[in-house]
Amino acid sequence: DTAVSQTPKYLVTQMGNDKSIKCEQNLGHDTMYWYKQDSKKFLKIMFSYNNKELIINETVPNRFSPKSPDKAHLNLHINSLELGDSAVYFCASSQVRSQETQYFGPGTRLLVL
Amino acid sequence: SQQGEEDPQALSIQEGENATMNCSYKTSINNLQWYRQNSGRGLVHLILIRSNEREKHSGRLRVTLDTSKKSSSLLITASRAADTASYFCATDGGSYIPTFGRGTSLIVHP
Repeated sequence: DTAVSQTPKYLVTQMGNDKSIKCEQNLGHDTMYWYKQDSKKFLKIMFSYNNKELIINETVPNRFSPKSPDKAHLNLHINSLELGDSAVYFCASSQVRSQETQYFGPGTRLLVL
Repeated sequence: SQQGEEDPQALSIQEGENATMNCSYKTSINNLQWYRQNSGRGLVHLILIRSNEREKHSGRLRVTLDTSKKSSSLLITASRAADTASYFCATDGGSYIPTFGRGTSLIVHP
């Protein structure tokens, strides 16, 4: 059983389009995260939700909007995609914020053409 | 700038050798974690060490933490080809915002 799942795995799209990435965790965790990993493998946190409430919002363009319909899901919507948005996006979850182990999804590889 | 910095950026060794990678950070922490990332996959948690701990073991992994030097090291003993991956340290910077370094890319030659 997949603990943290993301869809889609691959996403190729044109500049200017709007796209969404979905994330679900079946671990019963309270906290979920979105990370962006660039081509140099630098992994940077974008957002964190705790019990459906936004607790971390790093300096991310407002074209990126997270949505948490319930504590098991954290989706990422991206408007007006740009070339620089090409990266691998990882969803993760943990029981208690970052004090505990984070469980990562397999990643969504986004390529903006 | 990011909190954790791994060193070296890349490490290439023969199977059976030990691999040591280091992580330095800037601010005080509650804990420090090490993760492994296989090519094209998500990160997998290896070890969490708390700020009041100095050393921790898990199988062939040994992690040390020196809070006075703001550094940690991950030692993989008797490495195997399957250990080939990128290794990241993550700290919370005392603020519960998890920050990762750029990772150490380890290649273990069979």
